[in-house]
Amino acid sequence: DGGITQSPKYLFRKEGQNVTLSCEQNLNHDAMYWYRQDPGQGLRLIYYSQIVNDFQKGDIAEGYSVSREKKESFPLTVTSAQKNPTAFYLCASSEQGTNQPQHFGDGTRLSIL
Amino acid sequence: GDSVTQMEGPVTLSEEAFLTINCTYTATGYPSLFWYVQYPGEGLQLLLKATKADDKGSNKGFEATYRKETTSFHLEKGSVQVSDSAVYFCALTSNTGFQKLVFGTGTRLLVSP
Repeated sequence: DGGITQSPKYLFRKEGQNVTLSCEQNLNHDAMYWYRQDPGQGLRLIYYSQIVNDFQKGDIAEGYSVSREKKESFPLTVTSAQKNPTAFYLCASSEQGTNQPQHFGDGTRLSIL
Repeated sequence: GDSVTQMEGPVTLSEEAFLTINCTYTATGYPSLFWYVQYPGEGLQLLLKATKADDKGSNKGFEATYRKETTSFHLEKGSVQVSDSAVYFCALTSNTGFQKLVFGTGTRLLVSP
């Protein structure tokens, strides 16, 4: 079945450590997104990519980095510069064009040790 | 900028009760409107959408009508089930430029037998 796979489901980070969250899609979508979800705050956009080898900052990009070397993959690195990384991270993808809904993975929950 | 306001939860109902979750928006131009649902520990699933004024989106017994005059997109269901317990997010995308999804803060629905 087509879909979006995020891994791992749970991740723990030590102080000063970078961690990378995986996102893979087999929907043949051009656009991919990373969101952060905190309790009571809805979802906030971290980074997005509309095409391979191109990506843009979202509303809360500080302390995060991404790459888009393949159409299917859009990994997110949470760097040590992100001082409050504990959250639920969601990856999404969509077709290009107007009114296209975004399809979401099941998320990765990141916690600090 | 664009924004979405949802009624605060939790909304607590008995099985077979009528459901309304209010959603209003602020946006320039003519946005597309969406309802997403999130079950515990999972990502978001698209529930329904509407792309222009007076459109009615519907799915699984849920429906919402795009009301431009009141800038609203309220979610309704005539008879809820225990399995409908989840968090519901209202969202919009603009119809110009990058299709950024702007989310409300979510409304938790709890349905008891």
